[in-house]
Amino acid sequence: GAGVSQSPSNKVTEKGKDVELRCDPISGHTALYWYRQSLGQGLEFLIYFQGNSAPDKSGLPSDRFSAERTGGSVSTLTIQRTQQEDSAVYLCASSFTRAQETQYFGPGTRLLVL
Amino acid sequence: AQSVSQHNHHVILSEAASLELGCNYSYGGTVNLFWYVQYPGQHLQLLLKYFSGDPLVKGIKGFEAEFIKSKFSFNLRKPSVQWSDTAEYFCAVNLNQAGTALIFGKGTTLSVSS
Repeated sequence: GAGVSQSPSNKVTEKGKDVELRCDPISGHTALYWYRQSLGQGLEFLIYFQGNSAPDKSGLPSDRFSAERTGGSVSTLTIQRTQQEDSAVYLCASSFTRAQETQYFGPGTRLLVL
Repeated sequence: AQSVSQHNHHVILSEAASLELGCNYSYGGTVNLFWYVQYPGQHLQLLLKYFSGDPLVKGIKGFEAEFIKSKFSFNLRKPSVQWSDTAEYFCAVNLNQAGTALIFGKGTTLSVSS
């Protein structure tokens, strides 16, 4: 079946601009995660959505980062006033919401802030 | 704080050599353990996972890992590597409860020469 999809695959932007990154999880998966993969920091958790519950935002690095999940499916990660240190690959993962569950990752969006 | 340590940053092997990649974690509570692989130009894929039961788990492409609870370790092994195993390998851990984010190690780059 279809996996997690993300768009765009690459995004180049200028410092100070806002960007939106999109994630389409696997159909039926109730849990959705955003992670960031950068050279210096490795893979870091950003935010988690489960069903209609309030998201776990504990990994967001600053208030310039926000995310929403509409209709329990598609999610958008927004970075406002981008900085060069935001350059990274942003990964989305989805899973069922169970104690023993595998998270499946999308191909990521490579963001470059000039 | 929870953390995952991968002992080797870069491993270089010849084809048919045996592989062991170390992973240790610091995480209170019952955990799920994963090895993910990222082949060049591809996205993160699950290699194998441990939830409970037999501590020796087998994954795809001849990989296996052993969970040693007393050592907080989950080392990855393969008896004979192939050139196609060239990739980056990530160890990851989360709590054995619904909706917890993965904590990743920094990754190990494996280069296999033919």
